[in-house]
Amino acid sequence: DIQMTQSPSSVSASVGDRVTITCRASQGISSWLAWYQQKPGKAPKFLIFAASSLQSGVPSRFSGSGSGTDFTLTISSLQPEDFATYYCQQANSFPLTFGGGTKVEIK
Amino acid sequence: QVQLVESGGGVVQPGRSLRLSCAASGFTFSSYGMHWVRQAPGKGLQWVAVIWYDGSEKYYADSVKGRFTISRDDSKNTVYLQMNSLRAEDTAVYYCARGHRSGIDFWGQGTLVTVSS
Repeated sequence: DIQMTQSPSSVSASVGDRVTITCRASQGISSWLAWYQQKPGKAPKFLIFAASSLQSGVPSRFSGSGSGTDFTLTISSLQPEDFATYYCQQANSFPLTFGGGTKVEIK
Repeated sequence: QVQLVESGGGVVQPGRSLRLSCAASGFTFSSYGMHWVRQAPGKGLQWVAVIWYDGSEKYYADSVKGRFTISRDDSKNTVYLQMNSLRAEDTAVYYCARGHRSGIDFWGQGTLVTVSS
């Protein structure tokens, strides 16, 4: 199985800050990577697919990059509604696997 | 709009069975693969199973293989998860979700399964 490792596990940031989250795959997955946002008590929301493609309706302050084993999710200017937990997920092969999550907290 | 509504969760004793259902609407159900993903209390997301759009292929997480079965009924726009030999570690919110070529694009609100004596 492909292991997905996210870092950091949590980050404290202020509104307006640039936030970067890293995700590393245990083996190459090309660009088969997705990112999700989850708020407490809610289902995850699909943000980015194919490593860098923004899902329809997702604000442009979110961006993704990377290929192979190393990927990043960047929020260019953090907004109040962005405080949440973010997960990466590889879609290269079954079983699908998620990273452990990164909680973005208010500083 | 896409809607996925799970049902069938509840409290069940270890070793017993439970069947989850997910009713889909707002899209052509028979054109999409469907997933189940779970989340234990306070923990991260764990993928459970997928069924191809035509039911021809199914894949499972190792932790549920041989105990859980995913199926679909396109006439009812519904996907199921039959869970047998339940264990305490199966306690989680179970999400039904629609497959995307590179991920999972729509999720239900989840149904809580608690395995406890």
